[in-house]
Amino acid sequence: GQQVMQIPQYQHVQEGEDFTTYCNSSTTLSNIQWYKQRPGGHPVFLIQLVKSGEVKKQKRLTFQFGEAKKNSSLHITATQTTDVGTYFCARGSNYKLTFGKGTLLTVNP
Amino acid sequence: NAGVTQTPKFRILKIGQSMTLQCAQDMNHNYMYWYRQDPGMGLKLIYYSVGAGITDKGEVPNGYNVSRSTTEDFPLRLELAAPSQTSVYFCASSYSGTSNHNEQFFGPGTRLTVL
Repeated sequence: GQQVMQIPQYQHVQEGEDFTTYCNSSTTLSNIQWYKQRPGGHPVFLIQLVKSGEVKKQKRLTFQFGEAKKNSSLHITATQTTDVGTYFCARGSNYKLTFGKGTLLTVNP
Repeated sequence: NAGVTQTPKFRILKIGQSMTLQCAQDMNHNYMYWYRQDPGMGLKLIYYSVGAGITDKGEVPNGYNVSRSTTEDFPLRLELAAPSQTSVYFCASSYSGTSNHNEQFFGPGTRLTVL
């Protein structure tokens, strides 16, 4: 299948540090979605990127879509303990999503 | 709106037993999905449906069956439970299949253990 690779698998930061997770594909992505899953919870939609080079911000979160539409990133500025969880990217193809394995973020207060 | 609901929250099955995981949504979404999530492995699509009466296989359909008799409900059936089906199961729905409107809404999940 058309997979998306996410790195890193795990990231532990001190509160206040920045965090970035990357999502890469060997083929062009029509769109990419990002989800957050808190420990013990369910995935919650964060954002969708569609256009080449697109950058979107949600408060401390910045999402980017690469110019070639083969990669994407999620950057969190000044992490807080409420940011803990697993962040997934998912490639969209019509009505289906293929999820990456996610990046687990832990934050030390 | 309750969103996407799933029952039960937890279940322990013996090998060879059968069960149905229930999923319902009250958002009038056309598209519904079943995923399984194993530790460190992301979400794998089991089955999906684009509307009542229409279902199709996802990435990992073996050992499962689904039906979609109404827009609201999308049950997942395990006929002969195996330890490999121990997982967390998530149901999700979305409004449209177009690339601009396919945000998926997830239910709270069912944690299934097969012993």
